Amino acid sequence: ETGVTQTPRHLVMGMTNKKSLKCEQHLGHNAMYWYKQSAKKPLELMFVYNFKEQTENNSVPSRFSPECPNSSHLFLHLHTLQPEDSALYLCASSQEDSSSYEQYFGPGTRLTVT
Amino acid sequence: AQTVTQSQPEMSVQEAETVTLSCTYDTSESDYYLFWYKQPPSRQMILVIRQEAYKQQNATENRFSVNFQKAAKSFSLKISDSQLGDAAMYFCVMEYGNKLVFGAGTILRVKS
Repeated sequence: ETGVTQTPRHLVMGMTNKKSLKCEQHLGHNAMYWYKQSAKKPLELMFVYNFKEQTENNSVPSRFSPECPNSSHLFLHLHTLQPEDSALYLCASSQEDSSSYEQYFGPGTRLTVT
Repeated sequence: AQTVTQSQPEMSVQEAETVTLSCTYDTSESDYYLFWYKQPPSRQMILVIRQEAYKQQNATENRFSVNFQKAAKSFSLKISDSQLGDAAMYFCVMEYGNKLVFGAGTILRVKS
């Protein structure tokens, strides 16, 4: 595997379910991000992890719970979601001490909450 | 607050022709980066081109080039010799302190 991978690619869940999204980066980066992409809205940054420590929580509801066990893996735990949480969830990684801050994105997980 | 504005929700271009996508931004930062990302129907976000704010020279990457006007806070993307594979959503993005701020995107359609 190369780059940034995300699983699953598609997920349908009910409002009472608990599920997790997984992201893995194979680039040796030290920062990872979760973004939410909803229809007709700009991409929204949700969480930032630098060196496994959460450095940004963009006023995200507590029904989204991130976990970063190491610098290569990032999870987004989901519980009691709402239909308006249906969106494409993108993971990205970057090298925080690099000169360009370029972020590399995964293919995303298409989440549908029923 | 940092903002990025893309005023063109949708653009069309004939294959082999040239198209320019507009972007303006607002920031109080003096050191930042600007990017254009492309998101094709596969949804994979791909970096197209990068511009450092401290560099006056416009970045170029094969058929892609930018017109960076720092004083006007403008950062347009020019695609030359458009190809069918260029059809995608294009996002203008500003980076500061390892945070990215995305514009709303411009859908580019390429006609054969």
